[in-house]
Amino acid sequence: QQQVKQSPQSLIVQKGGISIINCAYENTAFDYFPWYQQFPGKGPALLIAIRPDVSEKKEGRFTISFNKSAKQFSLHIMDSQPGDSATYFCAASRRDSNYQLIWGAGTKLIIKP
Amino acid sequence: KAGVTQTPRYLIKTRGQQVTLSCSPISGHRSVSWYQQTPGQGLQFLFEYFSETQRNKGNFPGRFSGRQFSNSRSEMNVSTLELGDSALYLCASSLADRGNTGELFFGEGSRLTVL
Repeated sequence: QQQVKQSPQSLIVQKGGISIINCAYENTAFDYFPWYQQFPGKGPALLIAIRPDVSEKKEGRFTISFNKSAKQFSLHIMDSQPGDSATYFCAASRRDSNYQLIWGAGTKLIIKP
Repeated sequence: KAGVTQTPRYLIKTRGQQVTLSCSPISGHRSVSWYQQTPGQGLQFLFEYFSETQRNKGNFPGRFSGRQFSNSRSEMNVSTLELGDSALYLCASSLADRGNTGELFFGEGSRLTVL
């Protein structure tokens, strides 16, 4: 019940296209869902996050879509650019566990110019 | 504000040896977490320290240990190294204030190779 399942494992998208990464969870007590972005040779960094009281959050070209009933959330990258090539991790956490993150397995995204 | 600093950045050890990795968190951050990252295995949580106490622990053998000092700096130790311990070890700090969502700020990692 503590797992977060992330797909796909890897993704290749043409420049200008839409990149979509999906995550699913089981524990309905999760109340915070962040996405982290990791470039080669660097540690992950927070990209965008959402709480379950909203269905969508947008920051620039990055959007999280959240489906509470399906227990799924996804990251959409619009107008994908080569600079977006990175590994993306979704995660979930709960306030009553000090927001200890449960991580997805990661998606390696490659944007082809 | 300086970021999370990890030392050393690269190291090579042989099987059976032990290693100590160091992490200096962002000033004011009281929580330090450690992760192991290997290709295909994602981010595996090792442990979290808050105010010098281990608050959470992942599913790793007892060869992996850590500690946190009064200035929030942290070290992790791996004893009796095995080939499978070769990985990038990431440290992350967070404010961990009450009600804070616990955004993690990662260092660039210590890459350990075990021969």
